[in-house]
Amino acid sequence: QSALTQPASVSGSPGQSITISCTGTSSDIGVYDYVSWYKQHPGKAPKLLIYEVSNRPSEISDRFSGSKSANTASLTISGLQAEDEADYYCSSFTTTNTLVFGGGTKLTVL
Amino acid sequence: QLQLQESGLGLVKPSETLSLTCTVSGGSITSSEYSWGWIRQPPGKGLEWIGTISYSGRTHYNPSLKSRVTISEDTPKKQFSLNLRSVTGADTAVYFCARHNVVSGYYFDAWGQGALVTVSS
Repeated sequence: QSALTQPASVSGSPGQSITISCTGTSSDIGVYDYVSWYKQHPGKAPKLLIYEVSNRPSEISDRFSGSKSANTASLTISGLQAEDEADYYCSSFTTTNTLVFGGGTKLTVL
Repeated sequence: QLQLQESGLGLVKPSETLSLTCTVSGGSITSSEYSWGWIRQPPGKGLEWIGTISYSGRTHYNPSLKSRVTISEDTPKKQFSLNLRSVTGADTAVYFCARHNVVSGYYFDAWGQGALVTVSS
């Protein structure tokens, strides 16, 4: 199975909004609403941000939102803050009962 | 509060077997709402799903690793384990164990801190 496709890096200034895309296929993102997003600081474990495309755990800020169109999912972070600087990963369930991650996107807050 | 902790040898020789155990505390390992999984991250690279085991012992593996991987569980000890056979340098990575929610969307909602395993002679 191939990894989902994410941009290697994105950047934005404090207060701005950025969007990270995650492109899959008709065997994963295109057929299931089982897309999740994770945030990872260097040397730390990933942390769940979004599940089922657009749902947030209760402790996650509403500055984080998710969406999906066809084979592509997106994570939007509004009101960028310095602490948002991290690596972000998407993941999807697949038609073969497996899971696949994206290659990861490094977010830089300028 | 649920906690997961990986344990095992940090250095494995090429061609040998990598073995890690994840101990779960603060929650049940037998709930039908969750599976338990392993994910790895080579140095400087992205996350790779290795596999999961359900409360009933059913396993699913990454096709690229399936021939070398076994995930098992010891429910009385609240542990699940990873065995990866015939390792090479490409298996050097931080290995995470995590809880996999299978009721509302197939996502990992709790993670261990990770264990670095280096494959080297």
